[in-house]
Amino acid sequence: AQKITQTQPGMFVQEKEAVTLDCTYDTSDPSYGLFWYKQPSSGEMIFLIYQGSYDQQNATEGRYSLNFQKARKSANLVISASQLGDSAMYFCAMRRARYNNNDMRFGAGTRLTVKP
Amino acid sequence: DTAVSQTPKYLVTQMGNDKSIKCEQNLGHDTMYWYKQDSKKFLKIMFSYNNKELIINETVPNRFSPKSPDKAHLNLHINSLELGDSAVYFCASSQRTSGTGELFFGEGSRLTVL
Repeated sequence: AQKITQTQPGMFVQEKEAVTLDCTYDTSDPSYGLFWYKQPSSGEMIFLIYQGSYDQQNATEGRYSLNFQKARKSANLVISASQLGDSAMYFCAMRRARYNNNDMRFGAGTRLTVKP
Repeated sequence: DTAVSQTPKYLVTQMGNDKSIKCEQNLGHDTMYWYKQDSKKFLKIMFSYNNKELIINETVPNRFSPKSPDKAHLNLHINSLELGDSAVYFCASSQRTSGTGELFFGEGSRLTVL
């Protein structure tokens, strides 16, 4: 069974600094996809970034980058130049196989607070 | 136009009642899901449908019954509501063989059972 672990229930970061949110996963599937989602206090789920297990390079999307270390089974989210609007819950998620979209599991989430 | 829409957004009801939440997506996706988010924000997959076919049915009480009349709709009916059913229920959709296949979520339906 696949398992996604986020060990940081809460994180604080100063505005304009970078922050890393940890995510480790466990799967025996050779092919899988890793995702990060943001959930602000308003409640909607916002897709941030994706990394495929066979992707050679770490994914980047604007201020978001994914530090993918396959051997360690970790997929940490790095947010650069934090902004007040980054305060939210962040969820790591894994899909079992590249085209098996049916099975997407989430970690417990990390609540990020950006301090002015 | 909202891509994934759920109704109602808020639902307050008494224990023992039956209620339904409707979900529609206009993205042309072939896969739809129901997730439950509890008070600790944990997101748990409940059901997944692909082209109206039930693919994932997690260990959810059989009081919960999903129905997919077509691939654009996935409704959730809950019988004999219990206090522990109070949560936010998210509908989501994705396209199985396209791009990254990320989930597109509805805004959530907050169910409160009194």
